[in-house]
Amino acid sequence: QVQLKESGPGLVQPSQTLSLTCTVSGLSLTTNAVSWIRQPPGKGLEWMGIIWSNGHTDYNSTIKSRLSISRDTSKSQVFLKMNRLQTEDTAIYFCARVTMAAIFDYWGQGVMVTVSS
Amino acid sequence: DIQMTQSPASLSASLGETVTIECLASEDIYSDLAWYQKKPGKSPQLLIYYTSSLNDGVPSRFSGSGSGTQYSLKISSLQSEDVSIYFCQQNYDSPYTFGAGTKLELK
Repeated sequence: QVQLKESGPGLVQPSQTLSLTCTVSGLSLTTNAVSWIRQPPGKGLEWMGIIWSNGHTDYNSTIKSRLSISRDTSKSQVFLKMNRLQTEDTAIYFCARVTMAAIFDYWGQGVMVTVSS
Repeated sequence: DIQMTQSPASLSASLGETVTIECLASEDIYSDLAWYQKKPGKSPQLLIYYTSSLNDGVPSRFSGSGSGTQYSLKISSLQSEDVSIYFCQQNYDSPYTFGAGTKLELK
């Protein structure tokens, strides 16, 4: 069955770079797209970006200058890197499988990231 | 960017009641609207896509409707397990934006 699992540091210092990994199983990244979505404490969901099956990426313009999404198809992993972190970036970060219609049908459990010194 | 305005922000209802959550898009999204259920400490679950199509395993008491800029999620015969936060999401155009969420509680 399709599974996604996020991993990464729980605490990042302000101005530093966040690196997260989404490891997928039950699907191939060469035929499936994956997005990163985050939820700050007590707030709604924010779509961050996507890497399509052909490797093309698309980012939310609000964070585009700080965000990079890449993948290693042989390891079934998708990576998120976001620099210049601020306290407002404190959130639960989810990765999700994306259908061709940009619907998020399978989600990881999420990883809590706190930006604090 | 397409803005999604969801209402109400919170809702209290009794078991067995029918509740409706609304979502208003800032422009026509041509039925490209999905609904998700999120419980504390859990990942979001896709309930409905393309306005009214139920995802596999979703109970038939959930239904969606709408067109153009106005959409709604209806939960009939409310059950205790439906206590959750519900989000709408437009998948018409990038960035794929979500509503702010509706917190559904039991009265």
